[in-house]
Amino acid sequence: KQEVTQIPAALSVPEGENLVLNCSFTDSAIYNLQWFRQDPGKGLTSLLLIQSSQREQTSGRLNASLDKSSGRSTLYIAASQPGDSATYLCAVLMGTGGGNKLTFGTGTQLKVEL
Amino acid sequence: ETGVTQTPRHLVMGMTNKKSLKCEQHLGHNAMYWYKQSAKKPLELMFVYSLEERVENNSVPSRFSPECPNSSHLFLHLHTLQPEDSALYLCASSQVVPNEQFFGPGTRLTVL
Repeated sequence: KQEVTQIPAALSVPEGENLVLNCSFTDSAIYNLQWFRQDPGKGLTSLLLIQSSQREQTSGRLNASLDKSSGRSTLYIAASQPGDSATYLCAVLMGTGGGNKLTFGTGTQLKVEL
Repeated sequence: ETGVTQTPRHLVMGMTNKKSLKCEQHLGHNAMYWYKQSAKKPLELMFVYSLEERVENNSVPSRFSPECPNSSHLFLHLHTLQPEDSALYLCASSQVVPNEQFFGPGTRLTVL
């Protein structure tokens, strides 16, 4: 059974810092990995999707890397801003076609302070 | 409307009520999903519809009943719920391949 772990569970940083969020998964036979952002009481916003054949993806100040063999992914946020405050979720997809199941971690709650 | 929409956004119901949650996607996707998010727990997949056929149940109690009349609409029918069913219910959609899932804003359900 796939298990996804995110460390740290919570993180508080001053504005402007570069930071790294970690995600690990137990079964390396994944199809893709997705990073999401969730604001309190809201739905999920997809940030980055990394296919299993890829090593990293970038979008603006965000960079996500994937090391499938070791079961790890990191989300790097450059020059953090108060608007980045949210919970960041990592999820892995095991297969293709119908019935695919995303397995989620419990998230990292990020607070960026002025 | 764009993306994935869900109604209602908030719902309070008694244990004997019957209600339905609605999800609509405007992305041309062919798969839709229901997830449950409870406090301090990872998101749990409840149901998957791929090409309008249900392909995953995940041992969800029968008091939750999904319906997918077409590729753009998904419903979750609720009846005789329990207080522990109180949670944020999220709908998502994707293409079957590649499976990048896009989520709606969720329905916050409270069962009294």
